[in-house]
Amino acid sequence: SQKIEQNSEALNIQEGKTATLTCNYTNYSPAYLQWYRQDPGRGPVFLLLIRENEKEKRKERLKVTFDTTLKQSLFHITASQPADSATYLCALTGYSSASKIIFGSGTRLSIRP
Amino acid sequence: ETGVTQTPRHLVMGMTNKKSLKCEQHLGHNAMYWYKQSAKKPLELMFVYNFKEQTENNSVPSRFSPECPNSSHLFLHLHTLQPEDSALYLCASSQADGGNQPQHFGDGTRLSIL
Repeated sequence: SQKIEQNSEALNIQEGKTATLTCNYTNYSPAYLQWYRQDPGRGPVFLLLIRENEKEKRKERLKVTFDTTLKQSLFHITASQPADSATYLCALTGYSSASKIIFGSGTRLSIRP
Repeated sequence: ETGVTQTPRHLVMGMTNKKSLKCEQHLGHNAMYWYKQSAKKPLELMFVYNFKEQTENNSVPSRFSPECPNSSHLFLHLHTLQPEDSALYLCASSQADGGNQPQHFGDGTRLSIL
């Protein structure tokens, strides 16, 4: 069955360092991969989308890579700040519809001052 | 303010009750979604509406009944729910129903079944 695996353990990072989160998937050939941030008691907030033919995408301090051979995406936050502490979700979608969207369980990131 | 408003934020109901969850989006989007988020489990897509037409029902039990009267409003009618239905129910919208469309989520309704 289609599956996404994200770092199951919480990630604790010192402020100022680069946080790297992993998203691995199986039995899926996605057209797009998305990353979302979710804070406690809130809904997910969209951060970045990367296409299958893109290797890397950046937005401010965020960088996403997408390797369809390894079936893996890496999500980097550079110069991390305590305000970056949240749960980060990755999601895969096909071309034509969001009806086949699948989400990972998320990785909880804590940035300590 | 996410542009997607869900009410109520919290709901406690007995297994024999009937209640409805409401979602309203102010973003001018044409697609709306219902998701279920249980503790330590991935978000599960339940229903998809595109231009008010239901395009997906991911094997959701009939005790959950969606309604989309227009592109801005989405309801989830609940009846005779089970304890395992306790979860956070999230509504989302996107410009269109496409894989490349970012989804905009509301903050959810926390549902507890007694």
